[in-house]
Amino acid sequence: ETGVTQSPTHLIKTRGQQVTLRCSSQSGHNTVSWYQQALGQGPQFIFQYYREEENGRGNFPPRFSGLQFPNYSSELNVNALELDDSALYLCASSLRDTKETQYFGPGTRLLVL
Amino acid sequence: LAKTTQPISMDSYEGQEVNITCSHNNIATNDYITWYQQFPSQGPRFIIQGYKTKVTNEVASLFIPADRKSSTLSLPRVSLSDTAVYYCLVGALNSGGYQKVTFGTGTKLQVIP
Repeated sequence: ETGVTQSPTHLIKTRGQQVTLRCSSQSGHNTVSWYQQALGQGPQFIFQYYREEENGRGNFPPRFSGLQFPNYSSELNVNALELDDSALYLCASSLRDTKETQYFGPGTRLLVL
Repeated sequence: LAKTTQPISMDSYEGQEVNITCSHNNIATNDYITWYQQFPSQGPRFIIQGYKTKVTNEVASLFIPADRKSSTLSLPRVSLSDTAVYYCLVGALNSGGYQKVTFGTGTKLQVIP
């Protein structure tokens, strides 16, 4: 186990709704990254948070937003859900300015109907 | 970020050594090479990371030639539980300029009894 936890484990939403996914980072880690993984594909980088600010973003529209809290936990918010948003959402925590790698949580499976 | 190329799939019998090669021709000086293992509907699990030559841990070895344009993950004596997708990732993890992370499609390893 990595110590990275995510909630909920599964979620079903309908098109147009909004969703919030949560992540608790591994103890001592100050950076959180979020990924989207569609079925049969590799994880795609959404964005990264460090010191409660977005610190890099992949090719995702603004309706994907996030937060990082003082305890380094994080949220991923997706507005106006689309069918293609159905995926496994992964959070990974790491310690900035070290070569230590990212450790992933178990993911949240989101299904948009 | 350096693009990586891996075989899409590999089959191996139980007890054999498996070598998965990843090409990363455009690797930058500051980039590390990291391998992850992922089981269905779970988050990627860190296997090994290296910069050059050879790295070994309790589960795998990583061979990196002098030009660093490729790397080979070696799994000794695989078992059925090693059936998974293996991702090669290249990047300067947690450096000041580290933002985007790109996973490829990975190599699906099937271990046969």
